Amino acid sequence: GAGVSQSPSNKVTEKGKDVELRCDPISGHTALYWYRQSLGQGLEFLIYFQGNSAPDKSGLPSDRFSAERTGGSVSTLTIQRTQQEDSAVYLCASSLVGGNSYEQYFGPGTRLTVT
Amino acid sequence: DQQVKQNSPSLSVQEGRISILNCDYTNSMFDYFLWYKKYPAEGPTFLISISSIKDKNEDGRFTVFLNKSAKHLSLHIVPSQPGDSAVYFCAASIKAAGNKLTFGGGTRVLVKP
Repeated sequence: GAGVSQSPSNKVTEKGKDVELRCDPISGHTALYWYRQSLGQGLEFLIYFQGNSAPDKSGLPSDRFSAERTGGSVSTLTIQRTQQEDSAVYLCASSLVGGNSYEQYFGPGTRLTVT
Repeated sequence: DQQVKQNSPSLSVQEGRISILNCDYTNSMFDYFLWYKKYPAEGPTFLISISSIKDKNEDGRFTVFLNKSAKHLSLHIVPSQPGDSAVYFCAASIKAAGNKLTFGGGTRVLVKP
């Protein structure tokens, strides 16, 4: 079946511009996560959506970052007034909730470069 | 404060031999542990997981061992194959807290033919 997809695969933007990154989770997965991997840094959690519950935004690094999930499916991560330190690979993952399995399945990522 | 650590940044192993990757954690609240494999320019691929109520889980060539008292887990790959060459990440989560993954820094594995 179709896995997690993300678009665009690469994005180059100028400092100060806003960007939107998109994630299409696996159909039927109710949980959706955003992570990022910066150069020299590990993978870090950003935000988590589960069903109709309020999102867990505890990993967002600043108020320039926001995300939404429409209709319980597609999610968009928005970064306003981008800075060079925002350059990273942004990864989306989805998972089923319930049962005994809690594995998250990742998309290919969006490589963001802020110049 | 790094809650999940992989102290070996790299590992080289001969094809057919065993690869052993190690991971330590500090947060005793973690109750679910996972290993992911990552190739360049791709997202992490799930390999195997283990709940904190178990001490071993096996899936084909991959076995994960969990030692809760030592807050240590390991991934054994046997036999190692050239296609296993990748970066391996250990991750931990708390199921009641939404399963947000906390990752280790990764171990780069090179399997030599």
